[in-house]
Order: sequence, then structure tokens, then C-alpha cells
Amino acid sequence: KAGVTQTPRYLIKTRGQQVTLSCSPISGHRSVSWYQQTPGQGLQFLFEYFSETQRNKGNFPGRFSGRQFSNSRSEMNVSTLELGDSALYLCASSLVGPSDRGTGELFFGEGSRLTVL
Amino acid sequence: DAKTTQPNSMESNEEEPVHLPCNHSTISGTDYIHWYRQLPSQGPEYVIHGLTSNVNNRMASLAIAEDRKSSTLILHRATLRDAAVYYCILIGSAGTYKYIFGTGTRLKVLA
Repeated sequence: KAGVTQTPRYLIKTRGQQVTLSCSPISGHRSVSWYQQTPGQGLQFLFEYFSETQRNKGNFPGRFSGRQFSNSRSEMNVSTLELGDSALYLCASSLVGPSDRGTGELFFGEGSRLTVL
Repeated sequence: DAKTTQPNSMESNEEEPVHLPCNHSTISGTDYIHWYRQLPSQGPEYVIHGLTSNVNNRMASLAIAEDRKSSTLILHRATLRDAAVYYCILIGSAGTYKYIFGTGTRLKVLA
């Protein structure tokens, strides 16, 4: 059974540019969530999607956005990149939906490492 | 704000038990306690989770305090492959999102 796949694994952008990251969940998983991981702030929740709808969003500026497609694949976009956006962006999928959040495990991808110069 | 508190690092000898603590004094009644571990250059990997009762699986045991304000992840016999950063995470089901992460404990296993 294939795991969560994130692309690209590594990318370098300059300030002011935008970036789109992709996440393919495990087959059958309809819940996808995104996280930012930095040395200073650790792991922080970005978004949660279920059935193509954003169910929750973390405390991030509007430059961070995302969406989920009918096949449960998800993308996140960061516009007007800042140096502080350099981070590992992790995606996780789960069999359980938002109303049962916590009852099932999260399956994480290996992440997309973004460097902003 | 709700948060979890973990020691920055711990050491253990190989094949000895390891007890990794986590304080979550602001936990609410519907928050599940999850533990994940992360190896370098990899995404976090699920270890165990629970709500109120102690839990056991093939990887570890989770001991939850009676008042649920703290929990302990127990690795019964540490191996070199258990060296990782261990995160205690509160995941809530009720209301708005709740994914509360700790800063993680870096476990070093000595041969």
C-alpha cells in the first residue's frame, strides 16, 4: 500500500515568489492535513481538508492557502514568499473525518523542504 | 493557549526501558493524546494514542494520568532504531481545530 506522497521534496524560491506543494494521500483516505515545521516554532497546524472542503485552518496569514480535489489529493500554496516561510511542509492523511478527529492515526509524508532566499 | 510540555532530550541504554513524559495540563475532555516519532529527513511516524485508559501496542505503551494532565510513553526495550524525536500531540474532536504539538524529546539510545 503506497504511503502519502509529497512533491516536490526540495525546492528553492526567492522572496516575493509563490509556491505550490502537492500531497497525494493514501488510497481511501479522505482527510488531509498540512503542517509547517521549523527549528524555531516546531510543528504547527496549517489546514485540514475533508471531502474537498477546508474544515479548519491554523493561525497563519492569508498568504497560505490550500485546496482538495475530488480524488482527495491536496495542494497548498504560499504567495509572496518571505524568508520566514523556509520550512519543512508536511502533509498527513487519515481515514477518519473531522468529527472523529483524534480517534485514528495520522499518516505523514516525508515533506517538502522549502528554502526561501 | 493549550500546549504540551516535553523534556528537550533524554538518553537511554540499549535494551533498557524508556519513559518519555509529557505534560498537558490544559487538555480538554475530548482531546486525544497522540505520540509520534520523527527520524532525520522523514515525516513523523505514528506510535500510539489514547483518550483515558492506558494503551499498549506492538511498539510501545501509553500511560495516562488519572486527571489526564500528563502522560508517559513507554518503550519497553530501547533499540538503536528507537533514536528519534518523540512528539506528544493533543488532537481534539470537538469545536474548532485542535492540533497541539509539543516541542519534542530527542531520544538518544546508547549501545
